[in-house]
Amino acid sequence: GESVGLHLPTLSVQEGDNSIINCAYSNSASDYFIWYKQESGKGPQFIIDIRSNMDKRQGQRVTVLLNKTVKHLSLQIAATQPGDSAVYFCAEILMDSSYKLIFGSGTRLLVRP
Amino acid sequence: NAGVTQTPKFRVLKTGQSMTLLCAQDMNHEYMYWYRQDPGMGLRLIHYSVGEGTTAKGEVPDGYNVSRLKKQNFLLGLESAAPSQTSVYFCASSYYGRSYNEQFFGPGTRLTVL
Repeated sequence: GESVGLHLPTLSVQEGDNSIINCAYSNSASDYFIWYKQESGKGPQFIIDIRSNMDKRQGQRVTVLLNKTVKHLSLQIAATQPGDSAVYFCAEILMDSSYKLIFGSGTRLLVRP
Repeated sequence: NAGVTQTPKFRVLKTGQSMTLLCAQDMNHEYMYWYRQDPGMGLRLIHYSVGEGTTAKGEVPDGYNVSRLKKQNFLLGLESAAPSQTSVYFCASSYYGRSYNEQFFGPGTRLTVL
């Protein structure tokens, strides 16, 4: 399979604990943000999204928080499970005529049994 | 429904050789994208297409060409491969271009240029 990267920041959590993954985005004009999960050997998989006119959005076991003042995005995973082990990327969409996702560098989540 | 598929999965080239990566999607999506992913970095957009017969440059287009002759296919070409193009290449597709843009990704192609 395709490995994602060898030098990513890593978050290690105990199974059952909550995880918080952080992301700083670059463009204050971005109006849409997405979190992706990438497992080893696979392409990124959509988790949850949030528009810039919101500061919180909840999904199943996941919550995304957006702080536009400091251009910060976080992904909270409740009751982390071994299957959550992966690399997590945030991405932003710029408010221009293009349709481009700009990805952050990613965080590796390791879940200890 | 296979989603997004990529061919080949692995390839090794010598400097100066050319090759074409094929991406296919069966979801009737209008938009298709090619990204590269290098170790320790997120995905960077190479080229994208908003419909059959149209293509546009992304963030890192130099050294690559693309074609979208059929709606379901998006081809990425390397005219003269360089070691700097060693990377993992991901194709993606989506129904809309902005807002509610959920891109579906293929499994990736690992390319090594010697």
